[in-house]
Amino acid sequence: RKEVEQDPGPFNVPEGATVAFNCTYSNSASQSFFWYRQDCRKEPKLLMSVYSSGNEDGRFTAQLNRASQYISLLIRDSKLSDSATYLCAVNSGSGGSYIPTFGRGTSLIVHP
Amino acid sequence: DTAVSQTPKYLVTQMGNDKSIKCEQNLGHDTMYWYKQDSKKFLKIMFSYNNKELIINETVPNRFSPKSPDKAHLNLHINSLELGDSAVYFCASSPIRMNTEAFFGQGTRLTVV
Repeated sequence: RKEVEQDPGPFNVPEGATVAFNCTYSNSASQSFFWYRQDCRKEPKLLMSVYSSGNEDGRFTAQLNRASQYISLLIRDSKLSDSATYLCAVNSGSGGSYIPTFGRGTSLIVHP
Repeated sequence: DTAVSQTPKYLVTQMGNDKSIKCEQNLGHDTMYWYKQDSKKFLKIMFSYNNKELIINETVPNRFSPKSPDKAHLNLHINSLELGDSAVYFCASSPIRMNTEAFFGQGTRLTVV
């Protein structure tokens, strides 16, 4: 079983749609959680951190469910520019050594 | 100013050769990483290194070795390159705190022919 799992998609949605991605993790001792965005042939960049109480940044909402060990990302009012791969990441470790472990990413295609 | 920079951006080489990829970060971070992203886009940790500890993913062949001359640099050496080593290699760094994100370099696309 992979440590962090995501549906690779692609999710193909029209502009203006709402789309949600889920991600599950296997290490119950994981301490922090993130969503990254990766454009084609570019490096991953942080989209948003995921807090226990859930958090929102404009059209993006992230949720964490520790009991079920999954995190989610909701994108409202999709834009063409949202087309990218969305990677969830989980930090695990101790004693100052924390390793971000990534899912394989979910591909989003927003079309006109 | 580029926060995490790696060179070269592209690397084409023959099987059996030895090559190095350099990485430097100017963020003052304590921890640096090397990731491999294969053709299926899976971003897999290879090494994690801070000034106290090297953590190696046990699935990484010992042909791969990280070298850190100082806190701001973590280079990747690869011996006896194989076709299956073709991938994009990303260097990243983060502060030592657990609740912070990783900052990535732009990647090195390695093609072994």
